[in-house]
Amino acid sequence: GAGVSQSPSNKVTEKGKDVELRCDPISGHTALYWYRQSLGQGLEFLIYFQGNSAPDKSGLPSDRFSAERTGGSVSTLTIQRTQQEDSAVYLCASSLLGQAFFGQGTRLTVV
Amino acid sequence: QKEVEQDPGPLSVPEGAIVSLNCTYSNSAFQYFMWYRQYSRKGPELLMYTYSSGNKEDGRFTAQVDKSSKYISLFIRDSQPSDSATYLCAMPRESYQKVTFGIGTKLQVIP
Repeated sequence: GAGVSQSPSNKVTEKGKDVELRCDPISGHTALYWYRQSLGQGLEFLIYFQGNSAPDKSGLPSDRFSAERTGGSVSTLTIQRTQQEDSAVYLCASSLLGQAFFGQGTRLTVV
Repeated sequence: QKEVEQDPGPLSVPEGAIVSLNCTYSNSAFQYFMWYRQYSRKGPELLMYTYSSGNKEDGRFTAQVDKSSKYISLFIRDSQPSDSATYLCAMPRESYQKVTFGIGTKLQVIP
C-alpha cells in the first residue's frame, strides 16, 4: 500500500481480555516500530524490528506485551490480560533510511 | 539523562508570530535530524529532514542544526492557526538505525 496501515482503528475491550493489533508497513521498509501514546503524553517506544536482526524489546512495559513480525513485513502487537492503564493509542511506523512513516494508530480502550 | 530532550510545552502564540521549537541531544552519534508534526488524533507526519549542520528552509519552516552544541531548532514564520499541533524532533544514529523521538512540543496558534 501507499502508507502504513493499522487495524483496527479503534478497539474497546474488557479488562483481562487479550488483544491483537496489526500493522502493515510500507512495502520494502526494513524497519518497523511500535509506540504507545497515552492521552496528552509523548511517544513511548515499545519495540523495534530491523531486518532479520533480533528485535529491540527494551520499551515493552511488561511481559504482557509481545510483538512479532512475520516474513519481514506484517507485525502484530499482542497485549495479554489487558489492564485499564493499557488504554492508549498504539502507533506503528516503518522506515527504510531513517525516515519513519507512521500509521494512523489503533485507539485501545480497556473498560 | 534522556538521549533527546524536548520541552513538552504547551506553547501558545498569536497568529503571525515566529515560533521557535527546540531539542537538545546527548549522543554525538546522531547524524540525521527530523521534525514531525502530529495533529490531534492523527499519527505523526514527517515535516523536515536534514543531515548537516546549518539551516534548511521549506516555505515558512526552517530547520537549524548545531552539532557542536547538540541543539536543533524548528522555526515557523508567520504562524497560522493550522500550525497548531504537536511537533516532535527525531534522530537516528545512522540511516539504518533506530529513530529516537523527543516527547513533542504542543503548539497552539491563537487567531
